[in-house]
Amino acid sequence: DTEVTQTPKHLVMGMTNKKSLKCEQHMGHRAMYWYKQKAKKPPELMFVYSYEKLSINESVPSRFSPECPNSSLLNLHLHALQPEDSALYLCASSLDSYQFFGPGTRLTVL
Amino acid sequence: TQLLEQSPQFLSIQEGENLTVYCNSSSVFSSLQWYRQEPGEGPVLLVTVVTGGEVKKLKRLTFQFGDARKDSSLHITAAQPGDTGLYLCAGPRTGNTGKLIFGQGTTLQVKP
Repeated sequence: DTEVTQTPKHLVMGMTNKKSLKCEQHMGHRAMYWYKQKAKKPPELMFVYSYEKLSINESVPSRFSPECPNSSLLNLHLHALQPEDSALYLCASSLDSYQFFGPGTRLTVL
Repeated sequence: TQLLEQSPQFLSIQEGENLTVYCNSSSVFSSLQWYRQEPGEGPVLLVTVVTGGEVKKLKRLTFQFGDARKDSSLHITAAQPGDTGLYLCAGPRTGNTGKLIFGQGTTLQVKP
């Protein structure tokens, strides 16, 4: 298995909802990442997990809460989001410095 | 601060034309990666260049890494509509932080 999978593909949520994004990889990579991407812009790093521990938090608002239940899974819990949080959310995993991205979740906050 | 300057940011060409995208820095990178991203999808890794002066070819795409490992280029020969997308160069931040530094991206549109 040489891919990163993400669910759901699309998500529409209201500002009072709680939802979660899921990411899975079975390549044995020990680093996993969450990125946020706006249209025609490069991805912006949000969180890095290394060996299932949070190693980097890029000053992300607390309405985004990451979780790494095991070495293959990464979740991003969402609560009380704002319309400006609408974006493509990408998960990635890496071997050394080479990162492999999932297809993303298109999130729309109403 | 390590930065990657990518140019041009937007490019609209006719099918069959050639083009070059540049990724420049004043800092040395241990490697550079090129990704292509189609709308609504995640970036797909095209190539990694590691050695200064290295040239890699992927069908009609040619990638070069500068001798000093501060710059890279992507040349597409006889562009096709299927080449349309966002092209990103990226390199690892010094210090084994796990962070990637991205260029601003080049949005390429190839018209039939």
